[in-house]
Amino acid sequence: AQRVTQPEKLLSVFKGAPVELKCNYSYSGSPELFWYVQYSRQRLQLLLRHISRESIKGFTADLNKGETSFHLKKPFAQEEDSAMYYCALGVRAGGTSYGKLTFGQGTILTVHP
Amino acid sequence: EAQVTQNPRYLITVTGKKLTVTCSQNMNHEYMSWYRQDPGLGLRQIYYSMNVEVTDKGDVPEGYKVSRKEKRNFPLILESPSPNQTSLYFCASSSSRELNSYNEQFFGPGTRLTVL
Repeated sequence: AQRVTQPEKLLSVFKGAPVELKCNYSYSGSPELFWYVQYSRQRLQLLLRHISRESIKGFTADLNKGETSFHLKKPFAQEEDSAMYYCALGVRAGGTSYGKLTFGQGTILTVHP
Repeated sequence: EAQVTQNPRYLITVTGKKLTVTCSQNMNHEYMSWYRQDPGLGLRQIYYSMNVEVTDKGDVPEGYKVSRKEKRNFPLILESPSPNQTSLYFCASSSSRELNSYNEQFFGPGTRLTVL
């Protein structure tokens, strides 16, 4: 069974400091990893996906299959980055449960001025 | 405006009284899904649907039913709600234009359900 772990429920940093939100997953097959974000009073929305290899709002995440991790990083945090962040794992087709998405427990990031 | 809508947004009910939470999307998406969000547990997938008449269980399907008779609608049915189903529920949809891959999911605003 697939599993996603976000070890930090809460993470606080000061503006301008680097931030790293941790995500570890367990799945024996070929995974698709995502980061979703929920800002205050807004809907949950996609931040980035590992397939795209893009940087969104200064955030990057690299899939490390050896360590089964997909940590989200930003070199200089901004106050507007304060939000709930979810890491999510999808099973690639060919697995037995394509379409099933597993989310982590979420990390609340607070960026202080 | 492209969006996912849910109704009702808030609901208080009693144990055993059947209820339905509706979900509708206007983006012609094939994939739709239901999640529940609980403190400390994050988002957990209840059911998902790859297309009309195709549904499958997520991680926590017990106590829930779904149907996908039309592409735009994906109602969540609680035949006999219990207090442990008190939660915040989200519906989401995405296109399946890319074969064998996950596209961005668009989420609804959420439905806060309380079962007394």
